[in-house]
Amino acid sequence: KAGVTQTPRYLIKTRGQQVTLSCSPISGHRSVSWYQQTPGQGLQFLFEYFSETQRNKGNFPGRFSGRQFSNSRSEMNVSTLELGDSALYLCASSFLNSPADTQYFGPGTRLTVL
Amino acid sequence: AQSVTQLDSQVPVFEEAPVELRCNYSSSVSVYLFWYVQYPNQGLQLLLKYLSGSTLVKGINGFEAEFNKSQTSFHLRKPSVHISDTAEYFCAVSAQGGSEKLVFGKGTKLTVNP
Repeated sequence: KAGVTQTPRYLIKTRGQQVTLSCSPISGHRSVSWYQQTPGQGLQFLFEYFSETQRNKGNFPGRFSGRQFSNSRSEMNVSTLELGDSALYLCASSFLNSPADTQYFGPGTRLTVL
Repeated sequence: AQSVTQLDSQVPVFEEAPVELRCNYSSSVSVYLFWYVQYPNQGLQLLLKYLSGSTLVKGINGFEAEFNKSQTSFHLRKPSVHISDTAEYFCAVSAQGGSEKLVFGKGTKLTVNP
C-alpha cells in the first residue's frame, strides 16, 4: 500500500500570502489529522477530519483551516501568512477516528515564510 | 487535558550501549501511549504503542517500552543501539474524548556515536 503523500514538499511564501497544502491518506483510511512542527513549540495538533467533518481542533487561530473531500484527501489552508508560520506541516491518516488507532505520517511540507 | 514530558532533550550514547529515553505523562482519564521516531527530513514512524494489557510492549527495531501507571511513565529502552538509531524520538498520548488527536512531548534527540 502506498503511504501518506503530501504535496508540495517545499514551499516558500512571503508574509501576507496564503497557502494550501494537500494530503492524500493511505487507501481506506478515513481520518486525516494535521500537525505543525517547529523547533520552539515542537509538534502541535492542528485539526482532524473524519468523513468530511472536522472532529477536533487544536489551539490555532482561524487563519488555519482545512477540509476533507469525499475520497478522504485533505487540504489545509493558511491565510495571511506570518513569519511564525514557518514550519514543517505533517499530515497523518488512520483507519478510524479512534484515539487508539495508529496514525501514519506523511513526509511533511516544509513551509518557509519570508 | 493531557500533557507529555520527555525528560531529556538530548541523549548521546556509544554504539552497542543500552539506552533509555524517558517519558512521563499527565492525564485525568485513561490514555493510550505511543512512541514515534523521526529520521532527518522525514515524517514520523510508529515504534510501538500501549493500549491495554501487558505493561511491557515490544516494537520495531528492537525497541521496547514499559507502561507504569503509578508513576505515569512510559520509558523507551533498547539493550544495544546502532548508529542507524540516531534520530529524534517522540512520546505521545491520546485519550478517549480528548480534544487533540495526539499530544506529543518535545522529543529526545538520540545520537549514537561509534
